[in-house]
Amino acid sequence: DAGVIQSPRHEVTEMGQEVTLRCKPISGHDYLFWYRQTMMRGLELLIYFNNNVPIDDSGMPEDRFSAKMPNASFSTLKIQPSEPRDSAVYFCASSSPPNAGGADTQYFGPGTRLTVL
Amino acid sequence: AQTVTQSQPEMSVQEAETVTLSCTYDTSENNYYLFWYKQPPSRQMILVIRQEAYKQQNATENRFSVNFQKAAKSFSLKISDSQLGDTAMYFCAFMNVRNTGKLIFGQGTTLQVKP
Repeated sequence: DAGVIQSPRHEVTEMGQEVTLRCKPISGHDYLFWYRQTMMRGLELLIYFNNNVPIDDSGMPEDRFSAKMPNASFSTLKIQPSEPRDSAVYFCASSSPPNAGGADTQYFGPGTRLTVL
Repeated sequence: AQTVTQSQPEMSVQEAETVTLSCTYDTSENNYYLFWYKQPPSRQMILVIRQEAYKQQNATENRFSVNFQKAAKSFSLKISDSQLGDTAMYFCAFMNVRNTGKLIFGQGTTLQVKP
């Protein structure tokens, strides 16, 4: 199993530019999560999906952030326009259905380190 | 609201020794999961161990074990025979069974294993 795949691993952009982060969950997992990690705020859940449907986006900081999951194997997190305070590591995670063995355990991707200049 | 507290920002241990990382949490729920994740310098978040609140037996994974005290809302991680590769930040996390989308993380404890 390849695990959760994220791209790019590093992204450097200038303020005002659009940024798109990508995630491929583990096959068979029907929950997908986007987290942001900063020194100041630690790990924060931004949004999560179940069966491609957004369930809770209360952690999305503002309208500049949006996330989509067009199918079971792909999700994007977009920031438009980006700002320096968006600089962070963004993680994607996935988990299996509640009744499966080890259910609800979230497996994380390697993260995308975003730097907005 | 649930909260998770890790009161030790940094710890160190000699190689081959045993170390215990502390975690406390606050919840009014009775059914939940607790986790320890490891984040090495590569920053990959790696699951170390998982505990279901309804299980009285403490979870164990090789050199890693937990001391789960439900009444005290305490969930400490013991690492035996520490290895250099255990150097990492360790996060304690809580998940309410009724809201399986939300993992609530503690602030993390940075562990350094010294040769």
